[in-house]
Amino acid sequence: DIVMTQTPLSSPVTLGQPASISCRSSQSLVYSDGNIHLSWLQQRPGQPPRLLIYKLSKRFSGVPDRFSGSGAGTDFTLKISRVEPEDVGIYYCMQSTQLPWTFGQGTKVEIK
Amino acid sequence: EVQLVESGGVLVQPGGSLRLSCIASEFTFSTYWMGWVRQAPGKGLEWVTNIKQDGSETFYVDSVKGRFTISRDNAKNSLYLQMDSLRAEDTAVYYCAKHGDWCFDLWGRGTLVTVSS
Repeated sequence: DIVMTQTPLSSPVTLGQPASISCRSSQSLVYSDGNIHLSWLQQRPGQPPRLLIYKLSKRFSGVPDRFSGSGAGTDFTLKISRVEPEDVGIYYCMQSTQLPWTFGQGTKVEIK
Repeated sequence: EVQLVESGGVLVQPGGSLRLSCIASEFTFSTYWMGWVRQAPGKGLEWVTNIKQDGSETFYVDSVKGRFTISRDNAKNSLYLQMDSLRAEDTAVYYCAKHGDWCFDLWGRGTLVTVSS
């Protein structure tokens, strides 16, 4: 199974400042079609997960452009350019290149 | 409104069985892969199973193989998860999720399954 490791596990941030979350996979996520099937999800308190980014860097419909995804091979990053109050929650990376699909442990973003 | 609504979660004894349901609204259910993802209390997300549009292909995480069965009824816009031989470690909120482009792009609010004596 591909293990997904996120850092940090907790990220206190200042409103209006940037935030960055890293995700590392135990194997390359490059699929035979050349795509990297890495997505990022946000889970606000008491809510189900919500898709933010898919295929490494594609922003899902309705997701603010302050969220961006990047990376290559086994190292990936989610960036929030300016943190807003509604960004508080837990962020997960997920790989869907290989079964079983696996998630990172989650990174809790909170306001300082 | 495009949505998924799960039901069927209850308190069940170890070794017992349960069937979860998920009803899809406002999208063409029959044209999408679907899946279930679970989240144990206070823990992270764990993929459980996926099913192809016509039900001809299914995949499971090893920990539920032989105990859980995913199925669907496209005429009823419904997804199911039959859970047998339940264990304490199956206690979780179970989310129904729609596949997007190699991802889960729509999630239900979840239904809580508690396995305890």
